[in-house]
Amino acid sequence: AQSVAQPEDQVNVAEGNPLTVKCTYSVSGNPYLFWYVQYPNRGLQFLLKYITGDNLVKGSYGFEAEFNKSQTSFHLKKPSALVSDSALYFCAVSSYSGGGADGLTFGKGTHLIIQP
Amino acid sequence: DTGVSQDPRHKITKRGQNVTFRCDPISEHNRLYWYRQTLGQGPEFLTYFQNEAQLEKSRLLSDRFSAERPKGSFSTLEIQRTEQGDSAMYLCASSTRSYTEAFFGQGTRLTVV
Repeated sequence: AQSVAQPEDQVNVAEGNPLTVKCTYSVSGNPYLFWYVQYPNRGLQFLLKYITGDNLVKGSYGFEAEFNKSQTSFHLKKPSALVSDSALYFCAVSSYSGGGADGLTFGKGTHLIIQP
Repeated sequence: DTGVSQDPRHKITKRGQNVTFRCDPISEHNRLYWYRQTLGQGPEFLTYFQNEAQLEKSRLLSDRFSAERPKGSFSTLEIQRTEQGDSAMYLCASSTRSYTEAFFGQGTRLTVV
């Protein structure tokens, strides 16, 4: 079975500072990893993904994430936070183990609060 | 708007009643997913279609739940004999192929009273 852990329920960052939202995963097989963002009263929006290749992936709105296979982590990062980045962030994983689940397994989410 | 569309956005029903939700995916997407999200939790996978074929169902999908995608386009999710524990946001998503990003609708919020 695959799982995702987001160890922080909430992350507080001052505007202009770098931010990190943590995610670790567990899968049998190689992982596909995703970050989604959810704003109030809006659907989940895709930010970025890791499928294969470079460990550092860049996505929407200046976000990036680093895949670390040895630590089974996929932390979301941004060099300079904006107040508008305040939202609920979800990490998700799927595994191409052949014949396995095609649906995503999500973490519980991390509230990111950017303080002016 | 060419995104994933879900209808209704909100549904309040009495315990024991049946409800049906509709999802219209992005038109060229052959893969369609249903998820359920409760307060304070991430979305949980329910079921998945490739075209009209239902290829996977989570054990979360009890016998009271049924999903269809009859022509490989829109999909419906029906819950029979609703229970208070069914209260949640039901999310639909679609994608073009396996293991790529899925695009989500805004969801249908179900409240069972």
